Amino acid sequence: AQTVTQSQPEMSVQEAETVTLSCTYDTSESDYYLFWYKQPPSRQMILVIRQEAYKQQNATENRFSVNFQKAAKSFSLKISDSQLGDAAMYFCAPRRDGGTSYGKLTFGQGTILTVHP
Amino acid sequence: NAGVTQTPKFQVLKTGQSMTLQCAQDMNHNSMYWYRQDPGMGLRLIYYSASEGTTDKGEVPNGYNVSRLNKREFSLRLESAAPSQTSVYFCASSSQALPGQDGYTFGSGTRLTVV
Repeated sequence: AQTVTQSQPEMSVQEAETVTLSCTYDTSESDYYLFWYKQPPSRQMILVIRQEAYKQQNATENRFSVNFQKAAKSFSLKISDSQLGDAAMYFCAPRRDGGTSYGKLTFGQGTILTVHP
Repeated sequence: NAGVTQTPKFQVLKTGQSMTLQCAQDMNHNSMYWYRQDPGMGLRLIYYSASEGTTDKGEVPNGYNVSRLNKREFSLRLESAAPSQTSVYFCASSSQALPGQDGYTFGSGTRLTVV
């Protein structure tokens, strides 16, 4: 079975500081997408950032950036200048390939991020 | 507003009761999905529909059925609810079976409690 591991159940950061959330995954494909989703207390799933595996350049979206290490199957999310509104559960989601689940997104268990003022 | 609409937002069922969760999207997406989210866990795929007229099982399909009524609508049915089905259910859609740049668009979720 495909696995996605977010090894940090909880993280905390001071407002305006930088925090990195880790994610490792398993896939047999060479080209695929990876996503980070944010889930605030409202429960809404919000797309934060995406990375296409064949692109060597790490994706950035304003204060959010990724460190994508394809060989190591690692996809970490860095949040710079953290804001109170960044407090949420964050999920890593690589595209899942193999068997009957080809093309589906598989979600990690999530990391709860707390931002302290 | 464009997006994915789920109804109801909250529901309490007694064990053995049945119900249908409704989902509709207005983005002309081909693919739709049902996930469940349990405390301390990520989202797990129940069923999906790669295109209108097709449905397939995901990771945790037991106890559920689905219907892709048309391109817009994808419903999830619990025939005989069990306490183990207490969860938050999310519907999602994507423009293609292989999620490309845009990933999935999610509904706001349904919190279901089975007592």
